[in-house]
Amino acid sequence: TQLLEQSPQFLSIQEGENLTVYCNSSSVFSSLQWYRQEPGEGPVLLVTVVTGGEVKKLKRLTFQFGDARKDSSLHITAAQTGDTGLYLCARSRGNTPLVFGKGTRLSVIA
Amino acid sequence: DAGITQSPRYKITETGRQVTLMCHQTWSHSYMFWYRQDLGHGLRLIYYSAAADITDKGEVPDGYVVSRSKTENFPLTLESATRSQTSVYFCASSEMGADNSPLHFGNGTRLTVT
Repeated sequence: TQLLEQSPQFLSIQEGENLTVYCNSSSVFSSLQWYRQEPGEGPVLLVTVVTGGEVKKLKRLTFQFGDARKDSSLHITAAQTGDTGLYLCARSRGNTPLVFGKGTRLSVIA
Repeated sequence: DAGITQSPRYKITETGRQVTLMCHQTWSHSYMFWYRQDLGHGLRLIYYSAAADITDKGEVPDGYVVSRSKTENFPLTLESATRSQTSVYFCASSEMGADNSPLHFGNGTRLTVT
């Protein structure tokens, strides 16, 4: 059972464009984390969202947690080639280990 | 420097052989995890440990064995490797349980079973 659905699976855009990727679940989660993974490396945490409706910004990245805490989005403004990578969302429910979505593979072309 | 180190970085082994992947962290984090990453499946949890001498199965534990005799080490053993275990394996640690506690990942071990 895929508990977290990420879309799109692949995204290729030109430098300077804006984009949004999504993470959805049929279950409520207590918190959600976003990670970025570059080739040959492990995932690195970008942000954790906890409260329904919460919005967090990290430079050009804006993360939103849905009001019902079942979905989240990541918006990148004016994408740069350095944003290229695999974006993973991961959810927790209480103290159980994180469950990851399959990720969105982003390619930003100069 | 503090961090999480996996070894070896690359490993090729034959079907039926035993192989152990090593993971060492210097933060004294309580929790440690093993994930495998495969195209089309994403990251899937194999085993995790909440403290020394405490381990629990994850989503895909069959064919794997773990131990945690010391807080800083969490080796993963494939007792009799199969081709389906060809994958990239990531070890991770966290200070607390999953809620609000980020995972710190190593750079992975790419294992090929021939």
